Amino acid sequence: AQRVTQPEKLLSVFKGAPVELKCNYSYSGSPELFWYVQYSRQRLQLLLRHISRESIKGFTADLNKGETSFHLKKPFAQEEDSAMYYCALRTDDEKLTFGTGTRLTIIP
Amino acid sequence: EADIYQTPRYLVIGTGKKITLECSQTMGHDKMYWYQQDPGMELHLIHYSYGVNSTEKGDLSSESTVSRIRTEHFPLTLESARPSHTSQYLCASSYRGRGKAFFGQGTRLTVV
Repeated sequence: AQRVTQPEKLLSVFKGAPVELKCNYSYSGSPELFWYVQYSRQRLQLLLRHISRESIKGFTADLNKGETSFHLKKPFAQEEDSAMYYCALRTDDEKLTFGTGTRLTIIP
Repeated sequence: EADIYQTPRYLVIGTGKKITLECSQTMGHDKMYWYQQDPGMELHLIHYSYGVNSTEKGDLSSESTVSRIRTEHFPLTLESARPSHTSQYLCASSYRGRGKAFFGQGTRLTVV
C-alpha cells in the first residue's frame, strides 16, 4: 500500500532563512507527487506538483526516486509562508493520499 | 462561478440522527473525494468516485456512505451519527487523469 511520511509536525524558521519541509513516500508504481498548502482560514489548495517542475511563491520540490523523497524548499522564508503544508501522492488508480502535514511558522 | 461547494459549513447534531453532508462542483470534474480531517491532523481518504454510479471505499474505514447519481453531486450520509464521527469532512474533485484536486471549504461536524 502507498504511504506518505512527513516527519516534522511542526517547523519554525526565522524570516529570511532557508526552509525545507521533508516528504518521503512508499509506492511500488509510478508516483505523482504534490504539495498542498492550507493558510489560516482558507481551503486546502495545490502549491506545486513534480511533473510541472515549476517554482510557486519561491518554493520548489524535486522528486528523488532513489531516495523516494519530494522535499519542499525555499531559499528565503517570508512571513506569509506560515501555513500547514501537506505532501500528497497520486497512485495509478488515482487515489490521492496525504501525509500528516507540517505546520510551518515563520518567526519575524 | 466554477467551484466546489460544501454545505453546511458547521453542523451540531445529536447522537443517533441521520445526516447528509452535501458536496457539489461546477467544474465538470469526473473524480470526487471525501476526506476526514481532525484539527491539525492528516487527511484520511474515506470515499472516492471515478464518475456517475462509481463509488469506492478509501484508506480509512468509515461508517458513512456516499452516492454519485449526478456528475456534480457527491453527498455523504451517516445513518446514525455518533460522537466518534465528530470531525471535519473535506470534499474534493479533479479531472480523471490529472492529479490537481480542488477542495471545498469543509464541513465541521460535531455530534453531541
